[in-house]
Amino acid sequence: AQTVTQSQPEMSVQEAETVTLSCTYDTSESDYYLFWYKQPPSRQMILVIRQEAYKQQNATENRFSVNFQKAAKSFSLKISDSQLGDAAMYFCAYRRGGANSKLTFGKGITLSVRP
Amino acid sequence: GAVVSQHPSRVICKSGTSVKIECRSLDFQATTMFWYRQFPKQSLMLMATSNEGSKATYEQGVEKDKFLINHASLTLSTLTVTSAHPEDSSFYICSAEDLDSYNSPLHFGNGTRLTVT
Repeated sequence: AQTVTQSQPEMSVQEAETVTLSCTYDTSESDYYLFWYKQPPSRQMILVIRQEAYKQQNATENRFSVNFQKAAKSFSLKISDSQLGDAAMYFCAYRRGGANSKLTFGKGITLSVRP
Repeated sequence: GAVVSQHPSRVICKSGTSVKIECRSLDFQATTMFWYRQFPKQSLMLMATSNEGSKATYEQGVEKDKFLINHASLTLSTLTVTSAHPEDSSFYICSAEDLDSYNSPLHFGNGTRLTVT
C-alpha cells in the first residue's frame, strides 16, 4: 500500500524568508504523481504544485519549488519569499497513474508566517 | 478551469435524521468521484470511491449502510449520512476525476461542514 509521511506537524517562517516542508512516500509503482496542496482556514483545497514521477526535472511554480528525490522517495516543498498569505495547512499527496486512482494524503503540516 | 460544486457548504441536523450532500462537476464529466472526511487539524481520509453507474467502493472501516453514495450520472455524486449522530460531525469534501484527462489533478469541491446536534 502507498503511504505518505509528513513528520513535522508545525513549522514557522519569517516573512520574506524561505522554508522547506518535508515529505516522504512509499510505493512500488513506477507510474505516479506527487502533489502539494494548500488548505487555508476556508478549508478549500488548493493545488500548489505537481510532479510527475517520470520527470527528472523538479517542478516549479513561481515561489514554490520541489526537491524530488525519486530513489530516496522524498518530495519536499520549498517556499521562497514567504508571504503572510502562505500561512495554511499543507498536505503532501500521492496518486498512482491511471484512471480511478485515489489521492493518498500525508498528515499535513501547519505553516505559520511571522510578520 | 474545471469546477466542482459541492452543496450544502454547511448543514446542521438533529441526531437521527439523514443528510444528503451533493457533488457536481460543472464543466466536465466525471466517471469517478472520491469522498473524503476531515476532522479539525487532521488530514483528509478517503471514505469511498464513487463510480458512475456502479456501486461505490468503501474504504476499510467505513460503514456503507451509514454513508450511502450514489453516482447516477457523469456529473453528480451524492453522499447521504443516514441516522446521523454527533460523532458524524465533520468536514466532508468530494473530488472528481475528469473523464477526458484522468492523469490531471483531481478537482475538489469546497466541502461541507456537517454538525449533528
